[in-house]
Amino acid sequence: EAQVTQNPRYLITVTGKKLTVTCSQNMNHEYMSWYRQDPGLGLRQIYYSMNVEVTDKGDVPEGYKVSRKEKRNFPLILESPSPNQTSLYFCASSLEKTGTSYGYTFGSGTRLTVV
Amino acid sequence: SQQGEEDPQALSIQEGENATMNCSYKTSINNLQWYRQNSGRGLVHLILIRSNEREKHSGRLRVTLDTSKKSSSLLITASRAADTASYFCATGKEAGTALIFGKGTTLSVSS
Repeated sequence: EAQVTQNPRYLITVTGKKLTVTCSQNMNHEYMSWYRQDPGLGLRQIYYSMNVEVTDKGDVPEGYKVSRKEKRNFPLILESPSPNQTSLYFCASSLEKTGTSYGYTFGSGTRLTVV
Repeated sequence: SQQGEEDPQALSIQEGENATMNCSYKTSINNLQWYRQNSGRGLVHLILIRSNEREKHSGRLRVTLDTSKKSSSLLITASRAADTASYFCATGKEAGTALIFGKGTTLSVSS
C-alpha cells in the first residue's frame, strides 16, 4: 500500500531533550515536506526537500532541522524542544513540489507535547 | 503565506443533505485541490481541478472552479455521518512552488 509512515504517533517530552520524528514513504516520491498544524493557524510548512541531500526552509523553520540522506526518509529533528513547539506535525510527499500529478500524500501525524 | 480561504469556517447539516464549501484565493493558479482531514489525522487528497477546467466530479463530490472570481466550491451530495471532517483547499501555482493550504471548513453531519 502506498503510504507515508510517521513515528511516533504521540510524544510527550521535556524542554531541551532532543527528539526525532521519523517519516518514510514507499512511493519513490522526490518531494517531501514537514508541516505543523495549530488551531487557528492552519498548516504551516517547516522544511521541505526536493530530493536526496536537497533541503530548504519553509515558513516556520526556527528550532527544527531535517536531513534527506535517502530518498524514502525525511526525519524531523528538534534539537532543543520548547513548549511553543507543542503541535500536531505532518509529513507529506509528492512526485513533485507543485503536487500537480496526484496531490500530496500525508502521514497520519505526530502529536507532540513539550512540557 | 496564506492563499486559499475557506468559507464557512464551520458547517452543520443533517444526514442526506448536501454540503457546500467555498474557497477563495488571491493570485492566479494552475490547479486547486481539496483535501479531507478526519479529527487529528492526516489530510487525504480528494480531487484536483486544473485552471482550464470548470467542473469535476468524483463520486458524491462535485468541484467547480471560477478563475474569473478566483473561487472554487466543493459540493458533497447526500452527506453521511462519515463525511464529518475538516475540508481544506490547496492552491498550486507555477512550477517550482509548493501547494498552499487554507485553514479549512469543519463539517459536522449528524444522523
